[in-house]
Amino acid sequence: AQSVSQHNHHVILSEAASLELGCNYSYGGTVNLFWYVQYPGQHLQLLLKYFSGDPLVKGIKGFEAEFIKSKFSFNLRKPSVQWSDTAEYFCAVNQGGGADGLTFGKGTHLIIQP
Amino acid sequence: DAGVTQSPTHLIKTRGQHVTLRCSPISGHKSVSWYQQVLGQGPQFIFQYYEKEERGRGNFPDRFSARQFPNYSSELNVNALLLGDSALYLCASSGGTAVYNEQFFGPGTRLTVL
Repeated sequence: AQSVSQHNHHVILSEAASLELGCNYSYGGTVNLFWYVQYPGQHLQLLLKYFSGDPLVKGIKGFEAEFIKSKFSFNLRKPSVQWSDTAEYFCAVNQGGGADGLTFGKGTHLIIQP
Repeated sequence: DAGVTQSPTHLIKTRGQHVTLRCSPISGHKSVSWYQQVLGQGPQFIFQYYEKEERGRGNFPDRFSARQFPNYSSELNVNALLLGDSALYLCASSGGTAVYNEQFFGPGTRLTVL
């Protein structure tokens, strides 16, 4: 069974700092990769996704992620964070198609200090 | 447009009881997925239903069952509740089962088993 590892469970940054959240998955075949975000008091929402093509994908609110197949990684980045980026971030993987559901990591709680 | 709605918001049950959770998808969405999120973990896939048929199933015991109705709403049923079933149960809807169909998550139902 595939698994997803998020290396940092809690991250605290100051505004304008650069962000990188790590995500590694275990499955060696074709995968579809996602980052979801949950802002305080809100639902889970899609931040960005990768299916194929350019391994550098851009999402909403200035976030981007890079798929590195050789490292089984899909790290999330943002060059300059804002206080409003405070949220829980989840990396998720799907193999074999949408009906198989998503496998989520444990999440990273990001706190941005003003 | 209304997003995914779930009811009830919170629920308290005792061990051995049965529970039914309900989900209404976004209008026009025909696929509903269920996830269990235990505190401190990422969501874990339980089921996906599309056009009233089960299309995907995660690693959950037979105590968990679901169904989808002609209006695409869905119910998740859990029998013989255990303490470990205490979790946030999330419903997600999408336009189809293909992985490129974005899943939109509801607010969840918080189940506490005493």
